[in-house]
Amino acid sequence: DAGITQSPRHKVTETGTPVTLRCHQTENHRYMYWYRQDPGHGLRLIHYSYGVKDTDKGEVSDGYSVSRSKTEDFLLTLESATSSQTSVYFCAIQAGSYNEQFFGPGTRLTVL
Amino acid sequence: AQSVTQPDIHITVSEGASLELRCNYSYGATPYLFWYVQSPGQGLQLLLKYFSGDTLVQGIKGFEAEFKRSQSSFNLRKPSVHWSDAAEYFCAVVDLTGGGNKLTFGTGTQLKVEL
Repeated sequence: DAGITQSPRHKVTETGTPVTLRCHQTENHRYMYWYRQDPGHGLRLIHYSYGVKDTDKGEVSDGYSVSRSKTEDFLLTLESATSSQTSVYFCAIQAGSYNEQFFGPGTRLTVL
Repeated sequence: AQSVTQPDIHITVSEGASLELRCNYSYGATPYLFWYVQSPGQGLQLLLKYFSGDTLVQGIKGFEAEFKRSQSSFNLRKPSVHWSDAAEYFCAVVDLTGGGNKLTFGTGTQLKVEL
């Protein structure tokens, strides 16, 4: 157990509304990541963070923003949700002797 | 850019039979490779990892994987499958450029185990 929680675990929202997903870790790891999982695509990196206020884009960052004001929290925001952002979102932290990634339980987001 | 291919979308094996899940990668340097497993409705659990050294690596739950540089492969194996192994399996390679260990995943292989 890498001490990662995600909230909410499930959310249904409407097109055009803002949505914020939260990832919380309890072990002060420096690197945190947001991925989305879609059938036929595996997991794809959205954004990652390498410290407080330090973030960078991943493969599928369009339509998403992130913030990290505290080591333990990494927020993913959809400024104006679209149906194409219906997905399962996973947060991960980097830890271990070889800097492996460990994943949270995921958030299932449905945009109607 | 790095990439990972898992050629088999679905695989069905009988309980007690051996298993091999295929993974091919494309990466310019020595790759860091992982296998993850995802049970229905769950997050991803790390099965095993390869960074260097021995080409046969052992993981949890009786799984092992063999790194073959000449074939750009990192296939996952298990000698005897249990019904509880039914899940989706993902192979991933790390991109170390630009900071952070950014993972590129394959599209996954869904394993079904027949009793």
